[in-house]
Amino acid sequence: GIQVEQSPPDLILQEGANSTLRCNFSDSVNNLQWFHQNPWGQLINLFYIPSGTKQNGRLSATTVATERYSLLYISSSQTTDSGVYFCAGLIQGAQKLVFGQGTRLTINP
Amino acid sequence: EAGVVQSPRYKIIEKKQPVAFWCNPISGHNTLYWYLQNLGQGPELLIRYENEEAVDDSQLPKDRFSAERLKGVDSTLKIQPAELGDSAVYLCASSPQRRSSYNEQFFGPGTRLTVL
Repeated sequence: GIQVEQSPPDLILQEGANSTLRCNFSDSVNNLQWFHQNPWGQLINLFYIPSGTKQNGRLSATTVATERYSLLYISSSQTTDSGVYFCAGLIQGAQKLVFGQGTRLTINP
Repeated sequence: EAGVVQSPRYKIIEKKQPVAFWCNPISGHNTLYWYLQNLGQGPELLIRYENEEAVDDSQLPKDRFSAERLKGVDSTLKIQPAELGDSAVYLCASSPQRRSSYNEQFFGPGTRLTVL
């Protein structure tokens, strides 16, 4: 079955809006990471968040491991926030990172 | 601190030709990964190295793909011969991971391969 599932697949917002991206993960997955893939293809680490809440500027993330989901919040969106956001988790016992399909975020000026 | 370095950034070849990609991980990171990313999808693991040992190559198509990390630092991924379906982005990542614990992975900029 699907081990890491992201929603929504696409999100289009105006500059200044807030957004919430969701990642559901199966029982066999833990050690969540959030990445931003910019238009040039570079995967940029946002958060390593197995559980709890972290904040970095306009971005924050929360993982509720017991309920198998993680949320990425982006406040006051800027056009440079555009790109694809991936969550990824480690398959327990295999030391293998499995990615979701991503959420493509477009921030219009 | 320098990040993961990959070269070349772009490569265009004709089918049946060989191609090689190079990766230099973050200094001190003993674990190195090669991923394949097809258009519109998330990366998928091809091979994982702990120092110079390939500890997980179950997803590597061994009929045409090979990889090496001879001194436990730099790594090379090779395809011979390339097929049209190999067109994708090849990503290298590293982490300071030990077998008994997990640390986050850091990715290089990738090599975009186009096979004509």
